[in-house]
Amino acid sequence: EVQLVQSGTQMKKPGESLTISCQVSGYSFIAYWIGWVRQRPGKGLEWMGIIYPGDSDVRYNSAFEGQVTISVDKSINTAYLHWNTLQAADTATYFCARHRGGGTLGSWGPGTLVTVSS
Amino acid sequence: DIKMTQSPSSLSASVGDRVTITCQANEHISNYLNWYQQKPGKAPRLLIYDASHLEPGVPSRFSGSGYGRDFTLTISSLEPEDFATYYCQQYDNTPRVTFGGGTQVEI
Repeated sequence: EVQLVQSGTQMKKPGESLTISCQVSGYSFIAYWIGWVRQRPGKGLEWMGIIYPGDSDVRYNSAFEGQVTISVDKSINTAYLHWNTLQAADTATYFCARHRGGGTLGSWGPGTLVTVSS
Repeated sequence: DIKMTQSPSSLSASVGDRVTITCQANEHISNYLNWYQQKPGKAPRLLIYDASHLEPGVPSRFSGSGYGRDFTLTISSLEPEDFATYYCQQYDNTPRVTFGGGTQVEI
């Protein structure tokens, strides 16, 4: 069974850094793209970017390029989303999702709530 | 960039109603279109892939159609558990994808 387990809720202050994670199981980690999706409170889904764990090829939504970094650790089947400098506007739930061939997001993590407030 | 426009943004319906949600791309995307359902506090769930294929385990009252720029999600007879928000998503330029703005189906 494909499973994506995300790290827990985070409360941070503006200017702080943060890394959240998505650990997968039940399939070959290196063989499928993993993407990150942002959902601000009460708003829709925004695709942030995606990584291919096999070779760490990363593609970003232009709206997020330079704002976040996506990476993986193949040794522990984990993808990461990192911010150097958080802003209040980063307050959102962040989902990781596995691409199941093509661009179909067939499996999702439960989401990580990130709250940024002074 | 490919942009997806969903309509309506919200609708009110009753149990047993037939509901139709539309999604339009600003350029041709073949059948590279998926539909997701999201309930509050939960991750999205894939309902329809490749515009018209029902994901295993999804009730047959859900159906999708369309090709090119215009797509439709239909719920033939609304059940209480169908009150949720629905999103379309294109993947014509995979692995980059784009979501529509969402349609909230309310009682």
